[in-house]
Amino acid sequence: AQTVTQSQPEMSVQEAETVTLSCTYDTSESDYYLFWYKQPPSRQMILVIRQEAYKQQNATENRFSVNFQKAAKSFSLKISDSQLGDAAMYFCAYRSVWGNKLVFGAGTILRVKS
Amino acid sequence: GAVVSQHPSWVICKSGTSVKIECRSLDFQATTMFWYRQFPKQSLMLMATSNEGSKATYEQGVEKDKFLINHASLTLSTLTVTSAHPEDSSFYICSANLAGVSYNEQFFGPGTRLTVL
Repeated sequence: AQTVTQSQPEMSVQEAETVTLSCTYDTSESDYYLFWYKQPPSRQMILVIRQEAYKQQNATENRFSVNFQKAAKSFSLKISDSQLGDAAMYFCAYRSVWGNKLVFGAGTILRVKS
Repeated sequence: GAVVSQHPSWVICKSGTSVKIECRSLDFQATTMFWYRQFPKQSLMLMATSNEGSKATYEQGVEKDKFLINHASLTLSTLTVTSAHPEDSSFYICSANLAGVSYNEQFFGPGTRLTVL
């Protein structure tokens, strides 16, 4: 079974600075999808960024980018120019191409200081 | 974008009563919906996968007689917590698969907070 590990329970970043959230995963599959979701205080889950494992190029979405290291099974999220609205719980998630289930990590609470 | 709604957003009930939570995909058809449970500051725990017109598939350790799931149409799935007890108090989130795209993205509802007194 696949597992997702987020080793940072909490992180803090100063407004306008850059922060990186870590995620590692374990799988025997060669093709899969990886996601970062944001859950703000409203608790609405929001997709931040998605990476297909077959793509070597790291995904980027505006201020959000990932560092996908397939061999190391690592998938970190970099948030540049952090804003107060980025404060939330962030979940890393894995999905096989052969199934629909998402496997979530434990989450990282990100605090943004003004 | 695809929108998923949940109703109610919060509910308080007495111990021993049953509570029904609805999950609707508003602008797309979802052949598969998922139900999650989340405790404060914890991750989402998948309870069951619901497919339209068939029985739900429950994750290990989830009581199927306790958490009844019905997926009667391509836009509606319901979760009924039967004979609720205080330990069932939690945040329940549903999601729906947008089929037809390569990555079958899941769209999440806003969640339902259940408090059992």
